[in-house]
Amino acid sequence: EIVLTQSPGTLSLSPGERASLSCRASQSVSSISLAWYQQKPGQAPRLLIYGVSSRATGIPDRFSGSGSGTDFTLTISRLEPEDFAVYYCQQYGSSPFTFGQGTKLEIK
Amino acid sequence: QVQLVQSGAEVKKPGASVRVSCKASGYTFTSYYMHWVRQAPGQGLEWMGIINPSAGGTNYAQKFQGRVTMTRDTSTSTVYMELSSLRSEDTAVYFCARVYSDKWSPFDYWGQGTLVTVSS
Repeated sequence: EIVLTQSPGTLSLSPGERASLSCRASQSVSSISLAWYQQKPGQAPRLLIYGVSSRATGIPDRFSGSGSGTDFTLTISRLEPEDFAVYYCQQYGSSPFTFGQGTKLEIK
Repeated sequence: QVQLVQSGAEVKKPGASVRVSCKASGYTFTSYYMHWVRQAPGQGLEWMGIINPSAGGTNYAQKFQGRVTMTRDTSTSTVYMELSSLRSEDTAVYFCARVYSDKWSPFDYWGQGTLVTVSS
């Protein structure tokens, strides 16, 4: 099983700032099978990034993904008020499909 | 448009079973695998398993082997997740989620979630 570890657990930033969220895998993630999701309270997760760096439909270009092997990063270039939420990385290249424990992005 | 509509909240006693449904619309039901994911209160996302709506084949997370059964009804475009021998730790919101393309792809559409509460 691939274990995904996200850091930091909580990130406190202000609107307009840049956010960098990390996801580290216990072993190399198959191909480019790494995604990021955003979840707001009381809502289902929303797919942001797949294939490490491809934005899902309708996702603004301030969201970007990068990385390879075991180290991945989600970057939000300039935070908007609606970006404060919990973010999860996920690998979908091997079963079981696993998620990181999440990073909470909160307003400073 | 793609929609996944889940059944309503459930309250169950320890030891009982629960069945959650997920009705799909807006796409060809048999062309996309469906996953089940759960989220305990204040916790992260936990993958439970996947079903192929076409052939009915399933793959479950080891943690739930023997307690979970995923099925589908192609006539109503609905997938079901049944969890048995419920315990308090199974209290969670259960989501169905459709794959983006093939089995090994991310989850692009999600149901609204179904809260299952296990309490005596």
